[in-house]
Amino acid sequence: DQQVKQNSPSLSVQEGRISILNCDYTNSMFDYFLWYKKYPAEGPTFLISISSIKDKNEDGRFTVFLNKSAKHLSLHIVPSQPGDSAVYFCAASGSGNEKLTFGTGTRLTIIP
Amino acid sequence: DSGVTQTPKHLITATGQRVTLRCSPRSGDLSVYWYQQSLDQGLQFLIQYYNGEERAKGNILERFSAQQFPDLHSELNLSSLELGDSALYFCASSPLGRQGNTGELFFGEGSRLTVL
Repeated sequence: DQQVKQNSPSLSVQEGRISILNCDYTNSMFDYFLWYKKYPAEGPTFLISISSIKDKNEDGRFTVFLNKSAKHLSLHIVPSQPGDSAVYFCAASGSGNEKLTFGTGTRLTIIP
Repeated sequence: DSGVTQTPKHLITATGQRVTLRCSPRSGDLSVYWYQQSLDQGLQFLIQYYNGEERAKGNILERFSAQQFPDLHSELNLSSLELGDSALYFCASSPLGRQGNTGELFFGEGSRLTVL
């Protein structure tokens, strides 16, 4: 049972444009959501997070939006840069658990 | 550098064998998590330890076991290995219980296991 879903395995975006990565979840007990970025041969690194009490969190070029009613979150990167090319994982936690449940990832490729 | 150290980085072994993967968490982090990433899969949670005690268990096979030692390093033991066990195994730590904990996990670079 995949509780966190990233339905787009890959995404290509022109440099300078906006990248939008999507994530859906099914567990209504999730109350904290995170995005991780992963380069080849490296471990995932934390990018940005959002608590369920908010609907938006911004950090520089990165903004995460949360729509609780739709159980959907998205990560916006603007402007996209070549260094943003990586696999992005959506993750969620809640229900009193500290562990993160991850999606399958979206490979983002920024085209120069 | 996340501060989480995993060894070995690469490991090739045969079916039926047993291997041990080692993880040293960030200084001061009491909680250690193990995740498995198979080809084209997300990170699957295996098990969590907190200050030496098992805290949560995920889809960990009975052939797999883990422990966290008094110095807080952790080991993941994989036995009777099968071809399907080939994967990246990540260890992560978190400052669970410490003030300012944001809930994020800090990941090591992973151990790539290949079973032939």
